Amino acid sequence: QQPVQSPQAVILREGEDAVINCSSSKALYSVHWYRQKHGEAPVFLMILLKGGEQKGHDKISASFNEKKQQSSLYLTASQLSYSGTYFCGIETSGSRLTFGEGTQLTVNP
Amino acid sequence: KAGVTQTPRYLIKTRGQQVTLSCSPISGHRSVSWYQQTPGQGLQFLFEYFSETQRNKGNFPGRFSGRQFSNSRSEMNVSTLELGDSALYLCASSLVAGRNSPLHFGNGTRLTVT
Repeated sequence: QQPVQSPQAVILREGEDAVINCSSSKALYSVHWYRQKHGEAPVFLMILLKGGEQKGHDKISASFNEKKQQSSLYLTASQLSYSGTYFCGIETSGSRLTFGEGTQLTVNP
Repeated sequence: KAGVTQTPRYLIKTRGQQVTLSCSPISGHRSVSWYQQTPGQGLQFLFEYFSETQRNKGNFPGRFSGRQFSNSRSEMNVSTLELGDSALYLCASSLVAGRNSPLHFGNGTRLTVT
């Protein structure tokens, strides 16, 4: 079952913050986040495991709410280099990583 | 360390033909997964291999098949190509097959079916 990402697209000015959500209809074992720039391969950002942990990666962090079966990616003080499509991938019982449709993030000067 | 290498980068085929795509994982990585990427559909899981065994398979018709060799290199084959098979096919490797293993993607093979 594909996770649902929201919003589908977001446009920011440099320095603004954004939140991307990822929801699952099934219980989650883990959530992966990846970023793909136009014409390039997706690049791994972070993994969150069962347990509701929050992880950080420079000014990009994420949380995992096991009860709500969702994860959120937080981008603070966005930079031009943050532009790209963000994918969440979920692992549920018996399945390999299933990705959402992606959230297109554009950061303008 | 060299990244994931996919060949060829681009392919143009006609309906009814078959195609084989190749993926060389990062050295030491034993798990290889394949994904199909199309606009609006995101990344659709095709299959995952670990130690030459298929561990998981996505919801694709039997025309899509794959295999993994003893050196962890993997191939994906699509027979009787259809127009809807036009997509970017991404291969990703990970150290092991499991929930804590990040995927490292190759640049993909862009397949166009005419």
